[in-house]
Amino acid sequence: TQLLEQSPQFLSIQEGENLTVYCNSSSVFSSLQWYRQEPGEGPVLLVTVVTGGEVKKLKRLTFQFGDARKDSSLHITAAQPGDTGLYLCAGAQGNTPLVFGKGTRLSVIA
Amino acid sequence: KAGVTQTPRYLIKTRGQQVTLSCSPISGHRSVSWYQQTPGQGLQFLFEYFSETQRNKGNFPGRFSGRQFSNSRSEMNVSTLELGDSALYLCASSLALGHGGTEAFFGQGTRLTVV
Repeated sequence: TQLLEQSPQFLSIQEGENLTVYCNSSSVFSSLQWYRQEPGEGPVLLVTVVTGGEVKKLKRLTFQFGDARKDSSLHITAAQPGDTGLYLCAGAQGNTPLVFGKGTRLSVIA
Repeated sequence: KAGVTQTPRYLIKTRGQQVTLSCSPISGHRSVSWYQQTPGQGLQFLFEYFSETQRNKGNFPGRFSGRQFSNSRSEMNVSTLELGDSALYLCASSLALGHGGTEAFFGQGTRLTVV
């Protein structure tokens, strides 16, 4: 069974701080996605990484896919209250269902 | 391009009743997956339909069923509702990526409350 472990589970920081969220697995994935979800809404796709070692930037968010395509990280620079939400990573492999981590709940306090 | 549309957004049902949820995928997407999300369990995969056929199935009881129509729209049905079925039900339409991965786009979800 493929599993994705996310850490930390909860994170509460002050506005302006930096943070990193991790997504780890013992399985290799063809691609890995990061989503942000707000209460009562569906997850919104932030980025897809497909190549080992790939780094993608989305404004203040930096996503990295591990060289072996088993892990990924999300780094947020100068966090803002609007970054608050549940961050989910999901791994894809062929036609099998996406494997989701349990998420990191981020709270950014003004 | 319209996103994934789920109806209804909110639903309150009584134990023992049945419910049908609807999902319209992004135009051109042939794969539709359903997930149940609860605070304790996170996102749990229910099933996936591709070209009107169930392609993958999660570990849920037979009370949970689904189908997909020729226009890729999908419905899921839960019969004999239990209190524990209260959850956010999410539908995702997917696009296969060239290298074998999948990219999923979610609807806003249907919040089901069973009383």
